[in-house]
This record gives sequence, structure tokens and C-alpha cells, in this order.
Amino acid sequence: EAGVVQSPRYKIIEKKQPVAFWCNPISGHNTLYWYRQNLGQGPELLIRYENEEAVDDSQLPKDRFSAERLKGVDSTLKIQPAELGDSAVYLCASSFLAGTNTEAFFGQGTRLTVV
Amino acid sequence: RKEVEQDPGPFNVPEGATVAFNCTYSNSASQSFFWYRQDCRKEPKLLMSVYSSGNEDGRFTAQLNRASQYISLLIRDSKLSDSATYLCVVNDYKLSFGAGTTVTVRA
Repeated sequence: EAGVVQSPRYKIIEKKQPVAFWCNPISGHNTLYWYRQNLGQGPELLIRYENEEAVDDSQLPKDRFSAERLKGVDSTLKIQPAELGDSAVYLCASSFLAGTNTEAFFGQGTRLTVV
Repeated sequence: RKEVEQDPGPFNVPEGATVAFNCTYSNSASQSFFWYRQDCRKEPKLLMSVYSSGNEDGRFTAQLNRASQYISLLIRDSKLSDSATYLCVVNDYKLSFGAGTTVTVRA
């Protein structure tokens, strides 16, 4: 069974440019998460989807970040314009149901470098 | 106060040693907890769930202390392959992660 698939794996962009990340969760998983992980830190939630609904986006910097999960399957996360401080690893995860003792599976992440 | 706090370490231990570390959480109503393992430049992967009664998986033992709001992870008979960052996770729907505890097992 395929795991969570993310692309691209690496991205280098100049500041003020836009960038987009894509995630395809495990088939059948209703819940999809986007996390950002800075070096030496744990992942921090940006947004959580239940099917196609964004149920927790309180930590998403809405002035420059946007996300969508059309049809409740794959998802994209966009930054426009990117800033130097956005350099991080962006992780997508999925689980069958949130709020239960079920495991969340992570993709390999997209390592973003803003120069 | 952060939702989940961990001792960052690093814990540098010889092979065969026992190492243990804790994680505290702020929400007393939290019900579900995990330990994830993250290798360098890799994604986090589930190591084990943490149950109220405590649970063991081979050389790994997890404990939950609700009264003091902490969970612990103990690794017995450490192997070189146990070298990693261990992330404490509180599952209040949004999976809140600690910053991780780094363990290095040396030969």
C-alpha cells in the first residue's frame, strides 16, 4: 500500500516568490494534516482537514499561506509571497480518524529553502 | 506554557545501557498519547501508543502519569539503531508534538 506521497521533495526559491506543495494521503484516510518543522523543533500544525473541510487552521498564517483539499483527497499548500523565515520542512500526514488512538502517517516532507 | 514539553537531551549512552526520558503536557483532559521516532532528515514514524496502564513493546516501555501530566519512554538494552529523536505527541485531534529528545547510542 502506498504511503503519504508529497512533492516536490526539495524546493529552493527566492524570497517573494510563490511556492506550492502537494500531498496525496493514504487512501481512505479522512484526516489530513499539514505541519511545518524547523530545525531542532517538533512539527507544528498549520492546518487540519476532515474530508474537504478545514477544521483547524488557527496556526496558518493566512496573509501568505493558503491550502485546499478539493474532493477530500489530495491537498495543496501554497505560500505567496515566501519569506526567508519560511525555510523549513513541510510535512503532510493523514489518519483514518482524528481524535482517536489511530496512528497518523507522515509523508517524506518537502524541504523548502528561501534565499 | 507549551502544550507539550520534552527534555531535549541529548542523551549519549553506550550500547546496552538503559535510557529514560519524560514529556509533560498541559491539557489535563488529553486522552491519547504517542511516541514517534524521527531519524535525521526523515519523517516521524510511530514508535508506540501510550496506554493508561502503561505498555511495553520489546525493549521499549511507555508510561502515563495523569496526575502529574507526564508520559515517559524507557529504552532497555540500547542498540546503535536506537539513535534518533523521540517525539512526544498528545493527540487532542491536532497531534501536538514536543520538540523531541535526541538519543545517541555509542559503541
